[in-house]
Amino acid sequence: SYELTQPPSVSVSPGQTASITCSGDKLGDKYACWYQQKPGQSPVLVIYQDSKRPSGIPERFSGSNSGNTATLTISGTQAMDEADYYCQAWDSKGVFGTGTKVTVL
Amino acid sequence: QVQLQESGPGLVKPSETLSLTCTVSGGSISSYYWSWIRQPPGKGLEWIGYIYYSGSTNYNPSLKSRVTISVDTSKNQFSLKLSSVTAADTAVYYCARAIVGATGDYYYYYMDVWGKGTTVTVSS
Repeated sequence: SYELTQPPSVSVSPGQTASITCSGDKLGDKYACWYQQKPGQSPVLVIYQDSKRPSGIPERFSGSNSGNTATLTISGTQAMDEADYYCQAWDSKGVFGTGTKVTVL
Repeated sequence: QVQLQESGPGLVKPSETLSLTCTVSGGSISSYYWSWIRQPPGKGLEWIGYIYYSGSTNYNPSLKSRVTISVDTSKNQFSLKLSSVTAADTAVYYCARAIVGATGDYYYYYMDVWGKGTTVTVSS
């Protein structure tokens, strides 16, 4: 079955750039999206169709997808961005990545 | 704006059937896909399946033998049934609206509106 792998954790200093990767076989041939989940809350869509931002999502969130890797980039990371992030793609069924905890130090 | 609310028993006995309902408010259930996702305590997200408002479904193969998703357009609701539950089915269950489409050969599926989630514990 199709799998999406993410690093368990990423640390970033305030104001710096955080990059979260999502790896899967020929993922670049699929659309990827990203969700942010804060403790005790439901997930929020932050990127869809590889690089599009839903209304209300800050411009500091951006995405790309090529080859076997999709990447979520948070530029000028703020303390409020500390959360778990999940990638997701479609492979005849919905597939979520393993999740990455972003810590803003 | 569209809002989703899950409802159902918070405690289910092993071997019984888990039943949840998601009520859609602020918009029509028609013309969209509707999904169920779960998250075991301290773990990641797992996609359970979706239903189109017309009734067509798609389930996660790992759960397919135990899952049924149905829709009631007259009530603006869709539901999840998961049979023969065990402790491994203990999780927060979310309902969500899914956007589905394709551009050329590329198929997209993402969930843009989520409910707050409901905790279901499987225990005797």
